[in-house]
Amino acid sequence: DSGVTQTPKHLITATGQRVTLRCSPRSGDLSVYWYQQSLDQGLQFLIQYYNGEERAKGNILERFSAQQFPDLHSELNLSSLELGDSALYFCASSTPSQGNEKLFFGSGTQLSVL
Amino acid sequence: AQKITQTQPGMFVQEKEAVTLDCTYDTSDQSYGLFWYKQPSSGEMIFLIYQGSYDEQNATEGRYSLNFQKARKSANLVISASQLGDSAMYFCAMRENYYGGSQGNLIFGKGTKLSVKP
Repeated sequence: DSGVTQTPKHLITATGQRVTLRCSPRSGDLSVYWYQQSLDQGLQFLIQYYNGEERAKGNILERFSAQQFPDLHSELNLSSLELGDSALYFCASSTPSQGNEKLFFGSGTQLSVL
Repeated sequence: AQKITQTQPGMFVQEKEAVTLDCTYDTSDQSYGLFWYKQPSSGEMIFLIYQGSYDEQNATEGRYSLNFQKARKSANLVISASQLGDSAMYFCAMRENYYGGSQGNLIFGKGTKLSVKP
């Protein structure tokens, strides 16, 4: 168990809908990352938050947004969903340190857009 | 250009034998970190091993070792004494500007699917 909690594990929705994925980082970790994993694109970095503030942005669509709350949990909001948004969405957390800054991943949310 | 290249989409290995999973990377940074993650069929991503660009010794973690060849920009994962539970996808990843206060996110390769035969 990595200590990173993601909910829900599975989500089935329709095109055009909006969903929210939730992530609780490991105790003490200040950074949260969101990744999207699909068969064709592989693992793509979406966005990173550090202690409540956006730190880095990757290949995140404008229809997607995220935030990190004061208690450090994070939410990824996906709106106007399309079939191509079907993927496994991972949250990961870490605490910056000199050297070995591992990312610890949650078990992911499998999103199916029908 | 791809930052991380894993040229073996799938590999087979006999139980109890050693196997090497290839990874090459592309960066102009002097400071970077290299990571390997395992993703079993259940889906979670499990950290295995890391190597910093300035580390002089190859990293080892139990049955996992990282064959780091800086000049060739390769960071191959070696799994010794393969077990059936090693069957999974394996991802190589890199963080650039590793020691310089990086943004922290990892860039992943496409992965290698390892199947261990009994």
